[in-house]
Amino acid sequence: QVQLQESGPGLVKPSQTLSLSCTVSGGSISSGSYYWTWIRQPAGKGLEWIGRIYTTGSTNYNPSLKSRVAISLDTSKNQFSLKVTSVNAADTAVYYCARGDPLIAAYLYWGQGALVTVSS
Amino acid sequence: QSVLTQPPSVSAAPGQKVTISCSGSSSIVGNNYVSWYQQLPGTAPKLLIYESNKRPSGIPDRFSGSTSGTSATLGITGLQTGDEADYYCGAWDASLSVRVFGGGTKLTVL
Repeated sequence: QVQLQESGPGLVKPSQTLSLSCTVSGGSISSGSYYWTWIRQPAGKGLEWIGRIYTTGSTNYNPSLKSRVAISLDTSKNQFSLKVTSVNAADTAVYYCARGDPLIAAYLYWGQGALVTVSS
Repeated sequence: QSVLTQPPSVSAAPGQKVTISCSGSSSIVGNNYVSWYQQLPGTAPKLLIYESNKRPSGIPDRFSGSTSGTSATLGITGLQTGDEADYYCGAWDASLSVRVFGGGTKLTVL
């Protein structure tokens, strides 16, 4: 059974960099044809797709965040990571990692979510 | 403003049927598979429907999906109080290379 778990600081100061990791268990992050994805959800609001990284390392980012976002793979730790630079209060949200399966064009596996608050 | 439009809320009595719509452009809903997610309070979204009308293993057949033109619909029959949740549709926007979601619909089982 594939499981994903987010980890990282829960509090980040404005203008600094938000960094989160997603540890994958139950399967290798470098095998198969999956999109390792980050999605966020501000309190009381809907889902916002941040971006994804393919097994090969190729990435796609939401144009609204592209200039501030980077997603990377760490196959030695079976993790993928998210960095968002120059954060502000609008980046406060629950951040989810998920595995995108192109065969079904959907996200079957999700992490439990990590709340990140941007505040001084 | 979400690219995919959902009603903010729907409600129905236990045992009844409800439908939730998801409308978008022809380049999104019309040309790509729609997926549906259920989000219970305080939990991560859960996949209910993929490829517009297929259910993952373990999802009861009370949940169904369909599409017509530029709209997709999630149907839930035999409503239970445990179905009270937020429901989101999602699809791939090939023009922007981005996954888009609807704004979400809150289901209340009266």
